Order: sequence, then C-alpha cells, then structure tokens
Amino acid sequence: EVQLVESGGGVVRPGGSLRLSCAASGFTFDDYGMNWVRQAPGKGLEWVSGINWNGGSTGYADSVKGRFIISRDNAKNSLYLQMNSLRAEDTALYHCARVSSYGGNDALDIWGQGTMVTVSS
Amino acid sequence: QLVLTQSPSASASLGASVKLTCSLSSGHSNYAIAWHQQQPEKGPRYLMKLNSDGSHSKGDGIPDRFSGSSSGAERYLTISSLQSEDEADYYCQTWGTGIHAVFGGGTQLTVL
Repeated sequence: EVQLVESGGGVVRPGGSLRLSCAASGFTFDDYGMNWVRQAPGKGLEWVSGINWNGGSTGYADSVKGRFIISRDNAKNSLYLQMNSLRAEDTALYHCARVSSYGGNDALDIWGQGTMVTVSS
Repeated sequence: QLVLTQSPSASASLGASVKLTCSLSSGHSNYAIAWHQQQPEKGPRYLMKLNSDGSHSKGDGIPDRFSGSSSGAERYLTISSLQSEDEADYYCQTWGTGIHAVFGGGTQLTVL
C-alpha cells in the first residue's frame, strides 16, 4: 500500500524549532519529488515547500523562506522539514505529499494525514 | 502572478450533478491543474490532473462520476449522481516555473 506518515508535530513556543518527518512506503521513493502543504485550523491548503527526487532542487513559499528547510534521505525513504524561528501563524496541520513526477513540480497524487504543529506561548 | 480562484461554496441535491470551477489568472490559461477532495476531518485526496485541452488522468479508485473539462482559463470538476460522501471541500492546485505550487481557496460542496 502506498502510504505517507508524518510525525514530529507538537506544541512549541514562538521563536522555537521543530523537525517534521514523513515516512514513505509502498513506492520507489527516489522516483518522485515531494512537497509539504499546511492547513491552518478552519482554513484552506497552503503550499509550504517542495523538493525534487534527489534533493538537488528545492522551493519555498515566501511565508517560510529563510526559516524552513526541506530535505530528504532516499536511503531511509524519508522527507523532512526543519522549522526554525516559528511564529503563531505557522500553527497548522502539516501534510507531506508526493509529486507525480521526478521534479518538485506537478500534481500532488498521494497525501499523508498530517502532523499538527501549534506555536503558542 | 499565478493565482487560482474558486467560489467559496456550492450546493446540489442528492443524485444531481454539480460543476465546480477553478479559474487561472491572466497569462496562465495553458496551465494544467489538479483537483483534490478533502472530506470532513480527513486528509486531502487526489482526484485528477486536468490539462488545458480537457484531457485528464484520474487517481486510483476515483469513480467515473468525477470528470474534468477545460475552457480557456477555466478548469472544471463535474460530479454526477451526487452521493452524500461527496460533501467535502474541493481544491484546485497548479504549479509554476521552479519548485512552486499554488492552491485555490477551495469550494465547500454541500449535498442537499
């Protein structure tokens, strides 16, 4: 079964850091780009970051640029999001999603259930 | 700037059909998009990729009741024979140059 399972969410104070992980299974991980997408409570989907199949190309939303770092470990079939200098507005459910091609840019065809990040003092 | 616009809400009766619209911003009328469904309290689910010529490829297990079409800068998702489980939020998604994706604001579909 093709599956993405996120972990690493939690409650963190403003200015703090958190590292999210996404474990992939059921497909050849390094054949696909990957993205992170978030959803604040009661709001719509917001693209956060993307990475191509080998990690050689990455992209970030303006709202997280300079604070978040996306990476992957193909040997471990895992995707990561290092989140620094967290703000209250980063509070959201964070989903990892598979890109339907090698690059970081295409339709997102597999989604995880998400891990919740709450930034609060 | 690449922007997707969706109506916030739509409604249709059980067993009827509904057509949801996603509009691409000026200068981007040839872009492909993807449609995603998010049922209450669930993660998003990929429905299909829809090209500017109206051709589309659906995700695994997506019923034939879901179809896509295109006209100019408009991308459509049609759901026929509406069922109660179709009540959900529907998002369109596209991608630009470089690694960058955009979502529409979503349409909340109510099945009456």
